[in-house]
Amino acid sequence: GENVEQHPSTLSVQEGDSAVIKCTYSDSASNYFPWYKQELGKRPQLIIDIRSNVGEKKDQRIAVTLNKTAKHFSLHITETQPEDSAVYFCAASAHRNNYGQNFVFGPGTRLSVLP
Amino acid sequence: DTEVTQTPKHLVMGMTNKKSLKCEQHMGHRAMYWYKQKAKKPPELMFVYSYEKLSINESVPSRFSPECPNSSLLNLHLHALQPEDSALYLCASSQVSAVNTEAFFGQGTRLTVV
Repeated sequence: GENVEQHPSTLSVQEGDSAVIKCTYSDSASNYFPWYKQELGKRPQLIIDIRSNVGEKKDQRIAVTLNKTAKHFSLHITETQPEDSAVYFCAASAHRNNYGQNFVFGPGTRLSVLP
Repeated sequence: DTEVTQTPKHLVMGMTNKKSLKCEQHMGHRAMYWYKQKAKKPPELMFVYSYEKLSINESVPSRFSPECPNSSLLNLHLHALQPEDSALYLCASSQVSAVNTEAFFGQGTRLTVV
C-alpha cells in the first residue's frame, strides 16, 4: 500500500519568511496530491492540490511542486503570517473508478510563524 | 452548500454502550469516508462508501460498523469500544466519477470511551 513521509515534523519561521514542507510517496499509481491545513480542534481544510499531469501549481502565497519521477512533492508558503500557524498534512491518492479516493496522509508538520 | 455536517460534536460513552455517529452532506457526492484521528497524528482511513456500497474497509475491528442508508447520509455504529478507541472521528465526502477530486471534511466527533 501507499506510504507517505513528510518532513520536517516541526517548523518555526519568522513572520514574512518562507516555509517549505516536503513529502515523498511510495505508490507510483498515486495521481492526486492534496495539502490540508488543520488548526487546533478544527477540521482539515484543503489549501492546494496538484494532479499528476502537472508539475507546479500556485495560488497566491501558496505553491506546490511535484516530481513524479522522484515521487516527491513540496508545499511552499511565502510571506508567512501568524495565521498560517497550524498543522499541515500532505496526502497521496490513487483514484480508482467507482471506489472513491484512498487518501493516505503524511504524519504532519507543525508550522509556527513567529511575529 | 459545501458543508459536511457531523453529529454529535462530542460523545462520551462507556465500554458497554451502543452509540452512533452521523454524517450528512448535500453536495451530491457519491463517495463518503470515515477517518479516525488520534492526537498529534494524521487522519487514518477506516471506511469508504462509493454509491452507497462499502468499497474499502481498512481492516477495522467489527466493534465499528458503518452504514450508508442513502447518498447523503453516513453512520458509524459503535459497540463495545475500548478506551484506546477514543479519538476524533472525521467524516468526509468527494465525487466518485471525476478523477482526483477534493475531499471535504466534517468538523468531527470527539469520542471519549470510559
